[in-house]
Parts: sequence; C-alpha cells; structure tokens
Amino acid sequence: SQELEQSPQSLIVQEGKNLTINCTSSKTLYGLYWYKQKYGEGLIFLMMLQKGGEEKSHEKITAKLDEKKQQSSLHITASQPSHAGIYLCGARGNKLVFGAGTILRVKS
Amino acid sequence: DTGVSQDPRHKITKRGQNVTFRCDPISEHNRLYWYRQTLGQGPEFLTYFQNEAQLEKSRLLSDRFSAERPKGSFSTLEIQRTEQGDSAMYLCASSLDRTGYSPLHFGNGTRLTVT
Repeated sequence: SQELEQSPQSLIVQEGKNLTINCTSSKTLYGLYWYKQKYGEGLIFLMMLQKGGEEKSHEKITAKLDEKKQQSSLHITASQPSHAGIYLCGARGNKLVFGAGTILRVKS
Repeated sequence: DTGVSQDPRHKITKRGQNVTFRCDPISEHNRLYWYRQTLGQGPEFLTYFQNEAQLEKSRLLSDRFSAERPKGSFSTLEIQRTEQGDSAMYLCASSLDRTGYSPLHFGNGTRLTVT
C-alpha cells in the first residue's frame, strides 16, 4: 500500500519568513493533493498536481510535483498568521491516502 | 453549493452504546468517502461509495462498523458496541469523478468521544 511521509512534522516560523514542506511517496505518484486543516475542523482543498514537473500557485502558496523523485513540495512565501494550521498531502487512486501532516505555527 | 454537511458535530457516548453519524454530500457528487482521524495523524480511509454501491472497505472497518448510502444521496456510518478506541474525528468527503480524479471536498467532521 502507498505511504506518504511528510517533513518536517512541525515548524514554527516568524511572520514574513518563507518555508517549505515536503511530501515523499513510497510509490509512483499519479496525483498529489494538498490540503489545509485547522484544529477540530475539516480539510480545505488547496491544490492538485497531476503531471511530473507541474507547478501551481495560489496566493502565496506554491506546490510542485517531482514525479521521478516521487515527491512534492509546498512553499509558502512571506508567511502570515493566517497560514497557520496543519498541511496534509494526499496521493490519489480510487481513494485518497494521506500523510501524517505538518503543523505550521506562525509567530507575529 | 452548500458543501458537505455532517451531523452531529460532537457525540459523547458510553462504551457499549451504538452511534450513527450522517453525511450529506455536495448534491451532484457521485462518490462519497468516510475517513477517521486521530490526534496527530492524517485521515485514515474507511470506505467509499460510488452512487449507492459500496466499492471498497478498509481493514480498519471492523464488523462493528457499517456504512450505507441509500439512493446514492446521503450516507450514514454506524458504530455498534462502541469502544474507547473508537474515539476519533469521523470525516466525510465527496467528489465528482467521471473521466479522471477530482478533489475530495470534506465536511467539518463528527468528533466522537467514548467514555
């Protein structure tokens, strides 16, 4: 079965700093999804990447898919307190398999 | 688009009792998923439906768990003889999958506490 490993498990950044979260798959990625979750709430869809080398951006968040490395990265530029939360990557087949998540705290 | 709705938001029950959760997906979505999430972990897949057919069940879904999606609309997840280990957030999601995979849209979950 496919497993996703996210790193780091958690990080604390100063407001305005950039950060990167990585997601590595144990198997070939055919579709990679990024979600954000606030504590005690559901998951909010951020981006979907389907092709090797694909890169997508939404506001200050950019995600890339490296199919050969079976890896995706999520980069946040000039972090803000509103970026705080848990970021989850998911690999898609008939179902979505998730990593354990990365907890992001932004200090103002 | 009113989003995925789950009811109740919170449920506290005593060990051994039965509980039932409801999920109303986005109306035109043909797939519906149930996940379970515990603190510090990502959501774990439980089962999914395409229309009214239950197509896959995880090994996590013991005999005490049953899910239905009559008429391919809302879904219910029932847990019989609850155990303390069942305490978790139960998340429902839906998607519109036709020729490819589309994102799953999640509800806000039902938090179950078994005392």
